[in-house]
Amino acid sequence: NAGVTQTPKFQVLKTGQSMTLQCAQDMNHEYMSWYRQDPGMGLRLIHYSVGAGITDQGEVPNGYNVSRSTTEDFPLRLLSAAPSQTSVYFCASSSSAYEQYFGPGTRLTVT
Amino acid sequence: RKEVEQDPGPFNVPEGATVAFNCTYSNSASQSFFWYRQDCRKEPKLLMSVYSSGNEDGRFTAQLNRASQYISLLIRDSKLSDSATYLCVVISSNTGKLIFGQGTTLQVKP
Repeated sequence: NAGVTQTPKFQVLKTGQSMTLQCAQDMNHEYMSWYRQDPGMGLRLIHYSVGAGITDQGEVPNGYNVSRSTTEDFPLRLLSAAPSQTSVYFCASSSSAYEQYFGPGTRLTVT
Repeated sequence: RKEVEQDPGPFNVPEGATVAFNCTYSNSASQSFFWYRQDCRKEPKLLMSVYSSGNEDGRFTAQLNRASQYISLLIRDSKLSDSATYLCVVISSNTGKLIFGQGTTLQVKP
């Protein structure tokens, strides 16, 4: 099992550009989530999904979109990148609300 | 006030020392608590759950104090490999979602 994979590992965007962060899991987990991690802020939930076709907003959803067309994939779209979206992004999956398995993260810089 | 708060540290301790971290939470209805570990530039991983009666896993002991609304993590006989950031996690009773503290950084020195 590869667990949770994320691509790309690093990305630099210019303000206003859009892009998609990819996340995939091979553990057949129903729950998937996207977090961002900023210094001094801890991990904050952006969007989450409890199953294919079902998504919902987390704590900081503005500027991001998600979709869940399959159990395995949960991409995160940045619609128009802003410097405030410079962060480390983690995707996570779980079979319950308890133990979350995180991907290795994507380090995004918006200039 | 943040829903989950931790002292960010860093805590610098010598090998073999005993060190304890506390984490406070604001919602008295919170039911589930965890400690995650995050190594530098890596993803968080579950270290241990925290049970009402307290629980131990080798050199690690987790305690819950509901009256004062805090959880603690005690590490005995610290190893160099314990150097990491320790994240306190609470499941929100309102939303059922995980709320992460900002983390406490531990640096174990030779």
